[in-house]
Amino acid sequence: DGGITQSPKYLFRKEGQNVTLSCEQNLNHDAMYWYRQDPGQGLRLIYYSQIVNDFQKGDIAEGYSVSREKKESFPLTVTSAQKNPTAFYLCASSTPTGGLQETQYFGPGTRLLVL
Amino acid sequence: DQQVKQNSPSLSVQEGRISILNCDYTNSMFDYFLWYKKYPAEGPTFLISISSIKDKNEDGRFTVFLNKSAKHLSLHIVPSQPGDSAVYFCAAVTRDDKIIFGKGTRLHILP
Repeated sequence: DGGITQSPKYLFRKEGQNVTLSCEQNLNHDAMYWYRQDPGQGLRLIYYSQIVNDFQKGDIAEGYSVSREKKESFPLTVTSAQKNPTAFYLCASSTPTGGLQETQYFGPGTRLLVL
Repeated sequence: DQQVKQNSPSLSVQEGRISILNCDYTNSMFDYFLWYKKYPAEGPTFLISISSIKDKNEDGRFTVFLNKSAKHLSLHIVPSQPGDSAVYFCAAVTRDDKIIFGKGTRLHILP
């Protein structure tokens, strides 16, 4: 079945540690996105990538890094510089632009908890 | 099994008229609902939310209505403007803050 997978479902981090959240898609989508969701707020864009080996900062990129070495994969690293990393992280991918309907497909999310 | 459904893939509305985007959900335990707007090659932008204890929330040209008995919500945009042409996503948030998105409806505002 095609879709987006994120792992792990829950992730615990000690203060000062870097952690990497996985996002894989087999939908052959060019574009991939990382969002953060905090209680009572909407999604905020962290990073996005329109094509392999290229990515741009979103609204809240500080303290995060990404890579896009393969079309299928867009891992997000939460670095120790991120002051408030506890949140729910959503990965998404979308069909190429110019289509009749650009649908964004979301993964199940990873909840990151800082201990 | 889709918990959040947007049954209309696209909608065309004349500029100046009212746009109504619909969304149905199956889980009565959702805590609140969100509407997002998305332009091509960009991430979704948060538009408006509504708590499950409300039946209406208004913000400028955007109003969201929630009918809990019907498990239905709708986004009204009035008057519709050319810049409103985009894909609109309905989303539901669970009590443990997971977001479940609909597949989106593309709104075309006609001149």
